[in-house]
Amino acid sequence: AQSVTQPDIHITVSEGASLELRCNYSYGATPYLFWYVQSPGQGLQLLLKYFSGDTLVQGIKGFEAEFKRSQSSFNLRKPSVHWSDAAEYFCAVGVQGAQKLVFGQGTRLTINP
Amino acid sequence: DSGVTQTPKHLITATGQRVTLRCSPRSGDLSVYWYQQSLDQGLQFLIQYYNGEERAKGNILERFSAQQFPDLHSELNLSSLELGDSALYFCASSPLTAGDIDTQYFGPGTRLTVL
Repeated sequence: AQSVTQPDIHITVSEGASLELRCNYSYGATPYLFWYVQSPGQGLQLLLKYFSGDTLVQGIKGFEAEFKRSQSSFNLRKPSVHWSDAAEYFCAVGVQGAQKLVFGQGTRLTINP
Repeated sequence: DSGVTQTPKHLITATGQRVTLRCSPRSGDLSVYWYQQSLDQGLQFLIQYYNGEERAKGNILERFSAQQFPDLHSELNLSSLELGDSALYFCASSPLTAGDIDTQYFGPGTRLTVL
């Protein structure tokens, strides 16, 4: 069955520091991968997606993610975080045929001033 | 703002009751998805409709049902509510013109509290 693992439940970084959020997936076919962000009391906002092509994808708010098939990973990165990046981040894989997204458990990001 | 709207924003009700959650997709999107977000289960796919027809089903309880109307808005009906049904319910929409995976855009959610 398809699954997504986000190993880090909670990460704290200082403002201005770099960030990497980990995501590993298990899926038999070519994955469609997504990162969403959820701010407190808000819905899910799409940060970026990977369907095919260049394995390094750029998203909104200065985020990028790299697809590594050999490691079944799709880690999210940002070179310098801002206080407004504090939120919960979800990695998801799209399941063909089933027409659904399977989400990881999320990583809560806290920013220290 | 994703363009997906959900009403109401909050809903408080009692066990055994029935509620209806409403979703309007982005303009032009034919596909609507419902997800449940709870502390213990995380984000779980419930059901998908495409142009009025049920397309895919996930971990949706028999007490729950959904439909998509000709104007493409969708409703999720939850009946015989239990305490464990308390959660955030999201609606998402996508164009899904190719019949394959497409980007899903999420609404702000409806927070359901069952007392």
